[in-house]
Amino acid sequence: EAQVTQNPRYLITVTGKKLTVTCSQNMNHEYMSWYRQDPGLGLRQIYYSMNVEVTDKGDVPEGYKVSRKEKRNFPLILESPSPNQTSLYFCASSLKGLASHEQFFGPGTRLTVL
Amino acid sequence: GQSLEQPSEVTAVEGAIVQINCTYQTSGFYGLSWYQQHDGGAPTFLSYNALDGLEETGRFSSFLSRSDSYGYLLLQELQMKDSASYFCAVRLPVFSSGSARQLTFGSGTQLTVLP
Repeated sequence: EAQVTQNPRYLITVTGKKLTVTCSQNMNHEYMSWYRQDPGLGLRQIYYSMNVEVTDKGDVPEGYKVSRKEKRNFPLILESPSPNQTSLYFCASSLKGLASHEQFFGPGTRLTVL
Repeated sequence: GQSLEQPSEVTAVEGAIVQINCTYQTSGFYGLSWYQQHDGGAPTFLSYNALDGLEETGRFSSFLSRSDSYGYLLLQELQMKDSASYFCAVRLPVFSSGSARQLTFGSGTQLTVLP
């Protein structure tokens, strides 16, 4: 089954404790992205990657890191989480070029930072 | 800069037709997409307009007018299961590299379908 998976689905942590949210896709997609979703603000892009070892900042990259060492994986790293990073996070992937308007989203990770 | 504006809420009754508008201010983009998101779930792709005009997919249609900086999603024969949030999104170019950035989303429209 073609899908994007994220782990964990739910996470409660404390300020300053480094964490990683994993994202994996099995569709051989070139493009991958991370978004956060907050009430009233819609989906805001954090980082995106156009291929292995090619990443770039989205609209809200502060406090986050990403890496793309393999085509299928695109982990999101919070080196020192803070309460304002409490949010619902989505990973997404798509084909490149003209097909990139159709993104496939993972199930989401609900993160709470205390 | 760029921004996408949508109404925050729309309410309609089962069987009706509803139009969700999306207006934008951007200096250039590759097309307008629409996504549906049920409460707490993942967004799913609905429709895409690369060119001006109407695209129809079953009960859903989407329209784009670049000259008016305007698009809309039209939902016909509304069903209870259509209650969800709907997002418009544009894919913007990265002028420095010539490549295309990923999608920029509007803040979403919460559609409530009443019996």
